[in-house]
Amino acid sequence: DGGITQSPKYLFRKEGQNVTLSCEQNLNHDAMYWYRQDPGQGLRLIYYSQIVNDFQKGDIAEGYSVSREKKESFPLTVTSAQKNPTAFYLCASSTNGRAKNQYFGPGTRLLVL
Amino acid sequence: DQQVKQNSPSLSVQEGRISILNCDYTNSMFDYFLWYKKYPAEGPTFLISISSIKDKNEDGRFTVFLNKSAKHLSLHIVPSQPGDSAVYFCAAAGGGADGLTFGKGTHLIIQP
Repeated sequence: DGGITQSPKYLFRKEGQNVTLSCEQNLNHDAMYWYRQDPGQGLRLIYYSQIVNDFQKGDIAEGYSVSREKKESFPLTVTSAQKNPTAFYLCASSTNGRAKNQYFGPGTRLLVL
Repeated sequence: DQQVKQNSPSLSVQEGRISILNCDYTNSMFDYFLWYKKYPAEGPTFLISISSIKDKNEDGRFTVFLNKSAKHLSLHIVPSQPGDSAVYFCAAAGGGADGLTFGKGTHLIIQP
């Protein structure tokens, strides 16, 4: 089945630790995105990538980093510089950067201990 | 500064009746609008979309209406079913924005 997978479903981070969230897609999509959702809020764009080896900051990129070494993978690292990392993180992809419809993964909930 | 606004955090509708979810936007350069449905602890799933060159798009029980002059769109669900209970996000594309710009969502509750 084609789709987007995110792992793990739940992730715990200690203060001062970096953690990496995985996102993999087998839809052969060029563009991939990371969003953050906080309670009672909409989704906010963290980073996006329109093609392999290229990525751009979204609205709330501070404290996060990404890489896009392979078309199917777009991992997100939440660094210790992110002061309020507890949130629900969603990865999405689209056929290309001009495509309007995005397909979402199941999400990862990150909790800080 | 929210560019996409869903002013009703929640909406309760009786099963079988019409559900109407509203969305307003401020960026006149948005040229494509989408509705996503989301269950708790899951990713959003695409429901229906509309291009700014149209004023209506219909797909089964779901219809989206766009009023460009009022910068307003609405999602109609007829008839409402228990499985429709979820959070519905309005999203907009274009206007120089990267990715999609989302509203805060409306929690639709279908009462039996």
